[in-house]
Amino acid sequence: QVQLQESGPGLVKPSETLSLTCTVSGGSISSYYWSWIRQPPGKGLEWIGYIYYSGSTNYNPSLKSRVTISVDTSKNQFSLKLSSVTAADTAVYYCARVWRIAAAGAYWFDPWGQGTLVTVSS
Amino acid sequence: SYELTQPPSVSVSPGQTARITCSGDALPKQYAYWYQQKPGQAPVLVIYKDSERPSGIPERFSGSSSGTTVTLTISGVQAEDEADYYCQSADSSGTVVFGGGTKLTVL
Repeated sequence: QVQLQESGPGLVKPSETLSLTCTVSGGSISSYYWSWIRQPPGKGLEWIGYIYYSGSTNYNPSLKSRVTISVDTSKNQFSLKLSSVTAADTAVYYCARVWRIAAAGAYWFDPWGQGTLVTVSS
Repeated sequence: SYELTQPPSVSVSPGQTARITCSGDALPKQYAYWYQQKPGQAPVLVIYKDSERPSGIPERFSGSSSGTTVTLTISGVQAEDEADYYCQSADSSGTVVFGGGTKLTVL
């Protein structure tokens, strides 16, 4: 079955850009949507955005100005960049496969990666 | 975007039925989904499209919808069901929203 694994630096300085990669194994990244979701320590889940394997994207309006999600089908990977980070961006970042029913505006996530903690601190 | 509202906590004794609600104005028109998250683990999908159960999820987990409220019901609660539960939906533009989460305590 499909498995996802996040990777990237665990520590990022304030004002810099957070960069993470999600590697998909056990299946092709093609023909699906893929998403990033984060969870600050002790808090709830926040959707960041998703990307189709073709490259089309949709972002959380509250983060849209700072977020870029991209896909590399040759490596079966997709990536997240979040610019101008502050301590409020400290969180566990998850990647997940998106299931979608376009006509119903339905989107849900399964499976998820194990998550990676990114701390924003100088 | 709209909001989804969950109670912060629900407590239940083993063997009893737990009901966790999620309210949102768009829920009559949009499907809801439920995730279980145990400490230190990633969320796991337990209900999709209001009431569908993924393979591998025990039958004691069920979902229902009525107006602006959806409900996750866990029948015959077991100690292993103690976890945080999150509802999730999306608006017509594809913007995804999560509820604030409910901590289920098994007494």
